[in-house]
Amino acid sequence: TQLLEQSPQFLSIQEGENLTVYCNSSSVFSSLQWYRQEPGEGPVLLVTVVTGGEVKKLKRLTFQFGDARKDSSLHITAAQPGDTGLYLCAGPDNTDKLIFGTGTRLQVFP
Amino acid sequence: DTGVSQNPRHKITKRGQNVTFRCDPISEHNRLYWYRQTLGQGPEFLTYFQNEAQLEKSRLLSDRFSAERPKGSFSTLEIQRTEQGDSAMYLCASSDAWHNEQFFGPGTRLTVL
Repeated sequence: TQLLEQSPQFLSIQEGENLTVYCNSSSVFSSLQWYRQEPGEGPVLLVTVVTGGEVKKLKRLTFQFGDARKDSSLHITAAQPGDTGLYLCAGPDNTDKLIFGTGTRLQVFP
Repeated sequence: DTGVSQNPRHKITKRGQNVTFRCDPISEHNRLYWYRQTLGQGPEFLTYFQNEAQLEKSRLLSDRFSAERPKGSFSTLEIQRTEQGDSAMYLCASSDAWHNEQFFGPGTRLTVL
């Protein structure tokens, strides 16, 4: 069974701080996706990483896929209150359904 | 295209009643997925369709749950004889057959009293 574990589970920081969220597995994934979800809404796709070692940037967000394609990280520079939400990593299993991580709930205070 | 839509957004029902949810995927997507999410957890897979064929069902999907996608476009998820443990957010996602990127709808929040 493929599992994705995220850390930390909760993160509460001040505006302007930097942070990193981790997504780890003992299994290899063909790709990993990162989503952000706000209360009462569905997850919104932020990025997909496909190649081992790949780095993608989305404004202040930097995503990295591990060389062995078993882990990924999300780094946010100078966090803003608008970054508040639940961050989820997800990867497809061998039938393409998504396996989701446990989630990281981020709160950024002004 | 306005993305994946789901109706209703909220449903409150009494235990034992039947409920039905609808999902309209992105029009050019032939794959449609249903997930369930409880508070503080990531979404859990329920079932998925490629066109009108239901290709996989999770063990989470008891015989009270049924999903259809009769014409390969919209899908419905029905829960019969609802139980309080069915209270959750029900999410629908769609993708095309070539990419693993799934795009989610806003979800239907079910509360069973």
